[in-house]
Amino acid sequence: EIVLTQSPATLSLSPGERATLSCRASQSVSSYLAWYQQKPGQAPRLLIYDASNRATGIPARFNGSGSGTDFTLTISSLEPEDFAVYYCQQRSNWRTFGQGTKLEIK
Amino acid sequence: EVQLVESGGGLVQPGGSLRLSCAASGFTFSSYWMHWVRQAPGKGLVWVSRINSYGSSTNYADSVKGRFTISRDNAKNTLYLLMNSLRAEDTAVYYCARLTGDDDNWGQGTLVTVSS
Repeated sequence: EIVLTQSPATLSLSPGERATLSCRASQSVSSYLAWYQQKPGQAPRLLIYDASNRATGIPARFNGSGSGTDFTLTISSLEPEDFAVYYCQQRSNWRTFGQGTKLEIK
Repeated sequence: EVQLVESGGGLVQPGGSLRLSCAASGFTFSSYWMHWVRQAPGKGLVWVSRINSYGSSTNYADSVKGRFTISRDNAKNTLYLLMNSLRAEDTAVYYCARLTGDDDNWGQGTLVTVSS
């Protein structure tokens, strides 16, 4: 099973600041890495697929990068609606999710 | 519009069984792999199982292998998850999902509570 480890567990920032979230895989997943956003009481929403491609309708402030075992989600300038929990997910071998990063308002 | 609607959740005693259903619409159900993902209260997302478009190939997370069975009825556009020998740690919201790689669709989830 491929294990995904996200860091930090919690990130406290203010609107307008830049957010950098990390996801590390226990073995290479090539570029088969996605990022999701989840708000309370809602299903997850796909943001980024295949490491760096924005899903339909996702604002340009969301950017993904990386390949192999190390990946990053960057939100260039935080909007109030961006405060949520973010998960990475790999589809190289079945599916697994990271444990999540909570992005909270400072 | 793609819609996935789960049903069948509820309260069940430890050791009991439950069958979840997911009614799909708005896309050609028989063409897609389908997945179940769960989320325990206040916890993260955990992938549970997947099934190919024909229903002939299935995979499971180690935590549910041998206890859960995924299946589908393409004539009814419905995905199922039969859960046996339920444990307290199976308590979660269960999501039905179409995970294509570049486009996802998720249901609203159904809550399963395992408690005496």
